[in-house]
Amino acid sequence: DQQVKQNSPSLSVQEGRISILNCDYTNSMFDYFLWYKKYPAEGPTFLISISSIKDKNEDGRFTVFLNKSAKHLSLHIVPSQPGDSAVYFCAASERTYKYIFGTGTRLKVLA
Amino acid sequence: KAGVTQTPRYLIKTRGQQVTLSCSPISGHRSVSWYQQTPGQGLQFLFEYFSETQRNKGNFPGRFSGRQFSNSRSEMNVSTLELGDSALYLCASSAGTGVRLGTNSPLHFGNGTRLTVT
Repeated sequence: DQQVKQNSPSLSVQEGRISILNCDYTNSMFDYFLWYKKYPAEGPTFLISISSIKDKNEDGRFTVFLNKSAKHLSLHIVPSQPGDSAVYFCAASERTYKYIFGTGTRLKVLA
Repeated sequence: KAGVTQTPRYLIKTRGQQVTLSCSPISGHRSVSWYQQTPGQGLQFLFEYFSETQRNKGNFPGRFSGRQFSNSRSEMNVSTLELGDSALYLCASSAGTGVRLGTNSPLHFGNGTRLTVT
């Protein structure tokens, strides 16, 4: 049972435009959500997080939105840059340090 | 501050053998987690240790085991290797301490150990 789903395996966006990566979850007890970026041959790098008590969190070009009623979160990257090309993972946990990860979305930013 | 260090970076083993992977967390971090990444499966949680105690465990067979030392360094062992164990094994550390309430310190990952079983 995949509790965290990233239904788009890949996404292509023009440089300078907005990238929107989506993530759906099924467990309503998840209370903390993370986004990671991963380059080949490297470990995932933490980008941004959000607690279930919030619906938005911003950090520079990255904004995460959480819609608890829809069990949906999204990561917005504005403006997108070629260096953002990577695989993005969302993750969620239920008050523990056990995180459930999605299968990832490969973002390609076209110059 | 040095990041999470995993050794070795690459391993090639034969079916039936066993393997031990090592992880040194970020200085001061006491929570260490292990994940398996395979193509199409994302990151699958193996286990999490805090102060030498396993706090959480994923759905992996008993061939997968781990431990944590008093200096927070951790090792992961896989016995009787199978072809399907070929994967990238990632270690992550966190500054979090007790039960996680609301927001807390995120996971910081190492670059992983690429295990190939032939």
